[in-house]
Amino acid sequence: DVKVTQSSRYLVKRTGEKVFLECVQDMDHENMFWYRQDPGLGLRLIYFSYDVKMKEKGDIPEGYSVSREKKERFSLILESASTNQTSMYLCASSLSGRGYEQYFGPGTRLTVT
Amino acid sequence: AQKVTQAQTEISVVEKEDVTLDCVYETRDTTYYLFWYKQPPSGELVFLIRRNSFDEQNEISGRYSWNFQKSTSSFNFTITASQVVDSAVYFCALSEPATGFQKLVFGTGTRLLVSP
Repeated sequence: DVKVTQSSRYLVKRTGEKVFLECVQDMDHENMFWYRQDPGLGLRLIYFSYDVKMKEKGDIPEGYSVSREKKERFSLILESASTNQTSMYLCASSLSGRGYEQYFGPGTRLTVT
Repeated sequence: AQKVTQAQTEISVVEKEDVTLDCVYETRDTTYYLFWYKQPPSGELVFLIRRNSFDEQNEISGRYSWNFQKSTSSFNFTITASQVVDSAVYFCALSEPATGFQKLVFGTGTRLLVSP
């Protein structure tokens, strides 16, 4: 079974802190994704990576950066956390190619105070 | 631009009732993929089904069935004889040809509450 793990289920940070969210997948997937989920807005793509060291901006990249140094690991970085970044963050991975489903991690609920 | 609409924000049913979750999509492409995911209270999205645009056959898996109709741009999901364990948020999603089908566009989700 595909396994996508995220470093924390719950995280509380202060405004202005640098925050790292880590995601690891164990199925050798080429693609990895970071989403945020907010009530009434569904899932919105923050960043997408299709290979090591490769990244693409999603729909809402402002205030975020990412790092993918190894194929299995994809990190989301909040350089200076703000209260409007309080949200559920979901990581996903998939094979590269047409129509492959994405596999999701359990999510990290981040609260910025 | 591609778009997925799930007009039903929340649906409440009593156990054993049948329920249909609606999904309407917009795309200019002739080749695309549609997906349904389930998000139980634990938070992890679980893949349920994928359908490509050339396959309009309806799909049945146990109590779950999916009705894909290109003529109305809909990909509806029906749960027969619902159970409390079906309580979750359900998302419909569409793949995006412009990115080589690597990304998904999600609807806003429908929360299903099944009471005993």
